[in-house]
Parts: sequence; C-alpha cells; structure tokens
Amino acid sequence: EVQLVESGGGLVQPGGSLRLSCAASGFSFSSYDVNWVRQAPGKGLEWISYITSSGDTIYYADSVRGRFTISRDNAKNSVYLQMNSLRAEDTAVYYCARRGSLQRGMIVVVGLDYWGQGTLVTVSS
Amino acid sequence: DIQMTQSPSSLSASVGDRVTITCRPSQSISSYLNWYQQKPGKAPKLLIYAASSLQSGVPSRFSGSGSGTDFTLTISSLQPEDFATYYCQQSYSPPPYTFGQGTTLELK
Repeated sequence: EVQLVESGGGLVQPGGSLRLSCAASGFSFSSYDVNWVRQAPGKGLEWISYITSSGDTIYYADSVRGRFTISRDNAKNSVYLQMNSLRAEDTAVYYCARRGSLQRGMIVVVGLDYWGQGTLVTVSS
Repeated sequence: DIQMTQSPSSLSASVGDRVTITCRPSQSISSYLNWYQQKPGKAPKLLIYAASSLQSGVPSRFSGSGSGTDFTLTISSLQPEDFATYYCQQSYSPPPYTFGQGTTLELK
C-alpha cells in the first residue's frame, strides 16, 4: 500500500524555522517525483514545491522561493521541506504528494496521485 | 504564471443531479489539466488527469473534457459521497502547477 506520512509541523514564531518530513512507503520511492502543496485554514490549495526523483531538478512557488528548501534522501525514502523566515501567511496544512506515472496517449502529465494526511504549521507569536 | 479560474465557486445540488464545473486557465495549457476532490479534513484525491482520463478506482460517473483554455468536470448522477470541494490544477510546464480556487458542491 502506498503511504506518505508528513511530520514536523507545529507552532513557530514569525521569523522562525521548521523542517517538515515526508516518509514514503509501499512503492519504489527513488523512481518518483514529489511535490509539496499547502492549504491555509479555510482556503484553497497552493502548490509550493517540486523535486524530481533524483533530486537534480527543483522548483518553487514565488511565495516561498528563497525561504523554503526542498530535498530528499532516497536511502531513507523521505522528502524534506526546510522552512525559514516563516511568516503568518505560511500558516497552513502542508501536504506531500507523489507525482504519478500518468499518461494519455503522448501526453505525460504531472498529476498528484497519492497524498499524505498533512501536517499543520502555525506561525504566530 | 498561469492563473486558473473555476466556476461556480459554490453549487447546490441534489442526489441524482447532473452537475458541471468549469475551469479556465489564463493561457492555453493543451490537455495538461487535472481534477481533484477534497472532503473536509482530508487530503485531496485525484479524479481526472490529462483533462479526460479517469484515475484508477474513480467511479465512471465522473468525467472530464476540454482542452486549451476551457475545461469541464461533470458528475453524471450525484451520489451522497460526492458532496465535497473540487479543484482543477494545471500541469503545463514549467511549474508553478497552479490550482483553481475550488468549487464547493453542497446538498440542496
């Protein structure tokens, strides 16, 4: 069974740091790209970061670029999100999600086929 | 960045109704469009990828169509478990892979 389990969330003061972890099991982790998506309380989904299977290509949303760093350790089947200089607007549930092997004809898409349960990050003094 | 606009933002319907949700990107994205369902307190679930392909295990009452700048998600006959929030997401390279603002489907 494919599973993604996030951890590391909690309450942090503005300007502080947190490191989120996403532990994967039930599939060949080193073959899959992983994304982080967040959801502020009562709001919609916001894509924030993407790392390829080997870790050689990384993307960020403008809202977190320069403050957040995504990384992975394929030996530990884990992806991480280091979050620095946190702001009140970073308060959200953070999900990690696997990019599935999804293709229709010649179209290969980035679709998020498995998600973790999420971990809540609260930035407040 | 590509902006995604969903309509309506909310929708009231009854069990057995046919409903359609629209998603319009700010530029053409070919068929690089996914649909997700999210229930309160739960992670999103992938329903449709590449605009019209049904994800494994998703009931056939869900369907997607469209290309370019106009996409739709249709639920042919609403079931009680379908009342949820639905999001579109574009995956036209390169990132950011933006989501629509969501459509909340409520019981009438």
